[in-house]
Amino acid sequence: GEDVEQSLFLSVREGDSSVINCTYTDSSSTYLYWYKQEPGAGLQLLTYIFSNMDMKQDQRLTVLLNKKDKHLSLRIADTQTGDSAIYFCAETNLIMNKLIFGAGTRLAVHP
Amino acid sequence: DGGITQSPKYLFRKEGQNVTLSCEQNLNHDAMYWYRQDPGQGLRLIYYSQIVNDFQKGDIAEGYSVSREKKESFPLTVTSAQKNPTAFYLCASIEGARPNHGEAFFGQGTRLTVV
Repeated sequence: GEDVEQSLFLSVREGDSSVINCTYTDSSSTYLYWYKQEPGAGLQLLTYIFSNMDMKQDQRLTVLLNKKDKHLSLRIADTQTGDSAIYFCAETNLIMNKLIFGAGTRLAVHP
Repeated sequence: DGGITQSPKYLFRKEGQNVTLSCEQNLNHDAMYWYRQDPGQGLRLIYYSQIVNDFQKGDIAEGYSVSREKKESFPLTVTSAQKNPTAFYLCASIEGARPNHGEAFFGQGTRLTVV
């Protein structure tokens, strides 16, 4: 079956880098995503990576994919207080036509 | 502006009542999804629809029902059979009938509380 796991909480100091980790089980996954959710709101796509890539960089965001270990990470450089939110890892299961989410990692940024 | 709209933002329901949550999109997207969010449990898939007049059960469909009579609309009914309906409900749409690298657009959510 498909499953996506994340740690639930991360606290970092403003200006430091944040690294949020995710593991998944579905070997048929083709796309993996990071979404951001601010309080009381829906989710917004931050970035995604295709499964034949191992890295993608977009401004302060770096996504690393280790397909062998089924491990995905999101690095946020120079973390700001505005980055405080819940970050969801997600994968597509094309066989079942589903978009499957992890439990979300709550990122707290303190001065 | 194109987007996906959920209404109402807050909803209160008495025990034993059915209630319907609205989800409308003007993005011309084929696929639509309903998720339930509980603290610490992330998003769990209730129902999804890849095409008009067709939908599939997700992981927690019991106590819920949906319809997809129009491409732009995917309402979710929370029935009295749902034992613990208090939660935050999120609707999403994706351009293609299958999830791919396209972005999933989310509504702002409906917070349902049973009183």
